[in-house]
Amino acid sequence: DQQVKQNSPSLSVQEGRISILNCDYTNSMFDYFLWYKKYPAEGPTFLISISSIKDKNEDGRFTVFLNKSAKHLSLHIVPSQPGDSAVYFCAASRNLIFGKGTKLSVKP
Amino acid sequence: NAGVMQNPRHLVRRRGQEARLRCSPMKGHSHVYWYRQLPEEGLKFMVYLQKENIIDESGMPKERFSAEFPKEGPSILRIQQVVRGDSAAYFCASSSTSGLGEKLFFGSGTQLSVL
Repeated sequence: DQQVKQNSPSLSVQEGRISILNCDYTNSMFDYFLWYKKYPAEGPTFLISISSIKDKNEDGRFTVFLNKSAKHLSLHIVPSQPGDSAVYFCAASRNLIFGKGTKLSVKP
Repeated sequence: NAGVMQNPRHLVRRRGQEARLRCSPMKGHSHVYWYRQLPEEGLKFMVYLQKENIIDESGMPKERFSAEFPKEGPSILRIQQVVRGDSAAYFCASSSTSGLGEKLFFGSGTQLSVL
C-alpha cells in the first residue's frame, strides 16, 4: 500500500527543455514534502522541499508545486541540463516516506 | 568535514550469517535513520534513533533485525541469520534535529549481498 507514488519510472528530456516529475500521495495528514536526487552508488541528496501550507517553492532552476486538493506535487527543472540526469525521489513527512523514484535522462 | 559515513560499502554474507552495518552521522548530528532500498524500489524507512534511544522502529521487520545508536561510536544495523531477501542497499541518514521537514543527509549506503 504505497502512500507516495511516482508513476513514471523514467523520463527523457532534451537539454534546455523543461523536466516535470510527478508525485501523488494518499495521506492527507502529510504536512511536508521533499525531493531528493540520487546518482548511482551514492546516497540521496536533498534538492528542494515544500510545506503543505504553500503551493509553490522555487530554488534556482528547481520549482516544486503542491496541489493539496489533488494530493499531487510536481518538480519542475528548467532549463534541464545533462548533469540533472539522476533518479529523483519524492518523499513525505514524517520519517520520510519515499516514492519509487523517476529516472531522469537529459540528452545533450 | 565528513558527511555521513557508512561502512562497509559492500558486504557479502552467506545465508544464516550475521550482517553488521555501521553508520557514523555527520558531526553534530544526533538523529540517525536507516532505510532499505530493494531493487527497483524506493527507499523504505526502517528505524529512527537518537543517542541511546530507539524513537521509531515501525519499519523494522519483527525478527532478525535490530538497531542501536550508543552514546559513543557509530549506529549499528544488525541482521541476524540473513536470507536472500535481505539483499538490498541499506542507507543511513542523519539530521541535527527532528523538526518537521528537517533535511536528512544520507550516506553512500551499504550494498548487502546474501549468497
